[in-house]
Amino acid sequence: QVQLVQSGAEVKKPGASVKVSCKASGYTFTSYGISWVRQAPGQGLEWMGWISAYNGNTNYAQKLQGRVTMTTDTSTSTAYMELRSLRSDDTAVYYCARDGLFGSHAFDIWGQGTMVTVSS
Amino acid sequence: EIVLTQSPGTLSLSPGERATLSCRASQSVSSSYLAWYQQKPGQAPRLLIYGASSRATGIPDRFSGSGSGTDFTLTISRLEPEDFAVYYCQQYGSSPTFGQGTKVEIK
Repeated sequence: QVQLVQSGAEVKKPGASVKVSCKASGYTFTSYGISWVRQAPGQGLEWMGWISAYNGNTNYAQKLQGRVTMTTDTSTSTAYMELRSLRSDDTAVYYCARDGLFGSHAFDIWGQGTMVTVSS
Repeated sequence: EIVLTQSPGTLSLSPGERATLSCRASQSVSSSYLAWYQQKPGQAPRLLIYGASSRATGIPDRFSGSGSGTDFTLTISRLEPEDFAVYYCQQYGSSPTFGQGTKVEIK
């Protein structure tokens, strides 16, 4: 079946970096993009950015420009999201979701989420 | 950035009742790139509606979406026990944004 499986929970100190993975299966990875969405505890959903799995083009949320990098490995159908210079307000559940090849597509498949806790 | 405002914040209803959720955009949403998601505690969001009015695969027909431009509505015709959850609208243009959510709770 079509699914996205994410890496496990992470605990990081302020100033560190985290890299979350998202492995796709059940569909042609390079025919879609991947968006990343985060949700702070008890809060709503925040879109972080998108990457095309076809050519690696990216579009990041302005708020995170300079701190986030999204990449893909087409040989393993895996997407990655790295967030640097972590702060306490980066504590959240991070989701990957299937997006369109060029973006502008509803997010029809979601990963299970990865909890990232930033704490000294 | 397109800001989406959902109302009400919380909707208290009984099973079998009709739920009407609103989503208003700060500017016109192009090509009806408007989606609705359902999220239950501890779970990832689930796509319900895309293109403002098209149901996603496997979504029951008691869920319907309508609207265009800046005003959109999600209607649940008869609430089932499993429908009590938080609902988010999203515009998925070049820089997607989400509304703040409407919680549908049991009265």
